[in-house]
Amino acid sequence: GAGVSQSPSNKVTEKGKDVELRCDPISGHTALYWYRQSLGQGLEFLIYFQGNSAPDKSGLPSDRFSAERTGGSVSTLTIQRTQQEDSAVYLCASSLKGAGEQYFGPGTRLTVT
Amino acid sequence: AQSVTQPDIHITVSEGASLELRCNYSYGATPYLFWYVQSPGQGLQLLLKYFSGDTLVQGIKGFEAEFKRSQSSFNLRKPSVHWSDAAEYFCAVGASYNFNKFYFGSGTKLNVKP
Repeated sequence: GAGVSQSPSNKVTEKGKDVELRCDPISGHTALYWYRQSLGQGLEFLIYFQGNSAPDKSGLPSDRFSAERTGGSVSTLTIQRTQQEDSAVYLCASSLKGAGEQYFGPGTRLTVT
Repeated sequence: AQSVTQPDIHITVSEGASLELRCNYSYGATPYLFWYVQSPGQGLQLLLKYFSGDTLVQGIKGFEAEFKRSQSSFNLRKPSVHWSDAAEYFCAVGASYNFNKFYFGSGTKLNVKP
């Protein structure tokens, strides 16, 4: 079956522009996660959705970052006024509720020039 | 504060040799522990997980891990490494029973010598 997909796979943007990153989870997975992986670093947890709700947004690095999920499916991570330090791979994962096991997408590599 | 430490950034082993990757966690409640593998150009894949019960858990690809509460460790092992095991390995802790947050280590990059 289809896994988690993310688009675009690569995004190069100029400093100060806004970007939107998309995640399509596995069908039926109610839990969805966003992570940021900087070069040589582990995964930094950004936000978790259960259904369309994100109970805790404290993992988002700044108020330039926002995320939403609609219809309990597709999620969008938006970064406004991008900065060079936002350059990273952004990973999305989905999971069955309460299962713990996450299925990861291939990631979006964001480069801010 | 909750955290996961993988002390070894890089490890090189010869093909056929045994492997142990270290993971230490700091978490106040019952930990839910995971190991993931990230192969070059691939997404992260779950190797194994520990929730409760037998402290030695078996995973895919011949990997196993042992949970030691007294040492706050969850080390990953494999008796005989194959060249295809070359990848980056991440240890993770689930923050609670409802998995609303995860903490990942910084990863250990495994090189396999022929």
